[in-house]
Amino acid sequence: EPEVTQTPSHQVTQMGQEVILRCVPISNHLYFYWYRQILGQKVEFLVSFYNNEISEKSEIFDDQFSVERPDGSNFTLKIRSTKLEDSAMYFCASSGRGYGYTFGSGTRLTVV
Amino acid sequence: AQSVTQPDIHITVSEGASLELRCNYSYGATPYLFWYVQSPGQGLQLLLKYFSGDTLVQGIKGFEAEFKRSQSSFNLRKPSVHWSDAAEYFCAVGEDSVQAGTALIFGKGTTLSVSS
Repeated sequence: EPEVTQTPSHQVTQMGQEVILRCVPISNHLYFYWYRQILGQKVEFLVSFYNNEISEKSEIFDDQFSVERPDGSNFTLKIRSTKLEDSAMYFCASSGRGYGYTFGSGTRLTVV
Repeated sequence: AQSVTQPDIHITVSEGASLELRCNYSYGATPYLFWYVQSPGQGLQLLLKYFSGDTLVQGIKGFEAEFKRSQSSFNLRKPSVHWSDAAEYFCAVGEDSVQAGTALIFGKGTTLSVSS
């Protein structure tokens, strides 16, 4: 069964540093997403991406965040200057027509 | 605004007993409804989804869920729980939209513990 692949599985970074989280969506999917789950809390939507542009974003997705599809297979989330409160599990997801969502296994980001 | 409520934060069930996890949603149009399971340190695995049609939906691992529009509910059930079912369960709702790409709204989750 096709999978959404996320790397790395765990990343530790110092406060103020930039991080890039990487995702390889399912190859024939058209819509790509990032979600965040702070420890012990619910999964929250960050952003969706379609046709090389952001289609929807939440209030969490402020100017420190950006997304990019640098080539035909990768989808990245960049956090420009990390804060302690950015520590969370970040999930990438993709979907195709028919509205099926597939999530990756997540990247646990720890900001110290 | 859309919202999802999972009233039970933590449920403990004996192995072999039946299970029902509650989910209520608030949404004006026809919702797309999902149940996901998350084992510790793992990602989100789709158990089942409801888009339209038969209101009783079968999923993986022996789970089923019933959509009840009159009660705005989408409760998850399993007739006999196994120890491996211990995990966090999330209900989610999405827009009834022709175009995908819209956000899923998640509930806060229910932690299931299974006792022997």
